[in-house]
Amino acid sequence: DAKTTQPPSMDCAEGRAANLPCNHSTISGNEYVYWYRQIHSQGPQYIIHGLKNNETNEMASLIITEDRKSSTLILPHATLRDTAVYYCMRKGIQGGSEKLVFGKGTKLTVNP
Amino acid sequence: NAGVMQNPRHLVRRRGQEARLRCSPMKGHSHVYWYRQLPEEGLKFMVYLQKENIIDESGMPKERFSAEFPKEGPSILRIQQVVRGDSAAYFCASSPPNEDTEAFFGQGTRLTVV
Repeated sequence: DAKTTQPPSMDCAEGRAANLPCNHSTISGNEYVYWYRQIHSQGPQYIIHGLKNNETNEMASLIITEDRKSSTLILPHATLRDTAVYYCMRKGIQGGSEKLVFGKGTKLTVNP
Repeated sequence: NAGVMQNPRHLVRRRGQEARLRCSPMKGHSHVYWYRQLPEEGLKFMVYLQKENIIDESGMPKERFSAEFPKEGPSILRIQQVVRGDSAAYFCASSPPNEDTEAFFGQGTRLTVV
């Protein structure tokens, strides 16, 4: 049980921002939100994670709502190479679940 | 710093043989996770190990499958008496002891049982 909900698929035009939503309404205070992606059959690639505050790195931005029940991964300028399955997951600390549980993810297709 | 190394990348076994999959974690990482991905399906958690200890094996089949992470050397996922249904990609991930850090995945071992 992934305990997160994501749309099964999304499309995005190349060069535009891709906004991928995730619902984690039952998240507990000791759980982070993690995002990974899997391009074709490669190993999953870490993107970003956060607890309460919004986060940004060279790959993406993570916007977490104030109540922490949902978040959005933003790829600011999507390229064709960003076509992948994107997974939103919860991972705990200090007694929370310490493993990543993958759901079905969102299949993002970036179109030229 | 090399990434998570898995070998072999491809493994072919006949039904009834044993498969041994190896995972060398990143330097400084003492936590290892194994996942299985059947064709056209998502990743399923199998087992979580720390050095010399199995922490969570809730996703591992009770029979024929075992995992270890010795004090020295790589983590090994062992599948005895393989069957066609074991054909899948097996991914390993590693992370450092810190609780709030990300895990990094290897490129997987693709097991084909013929």
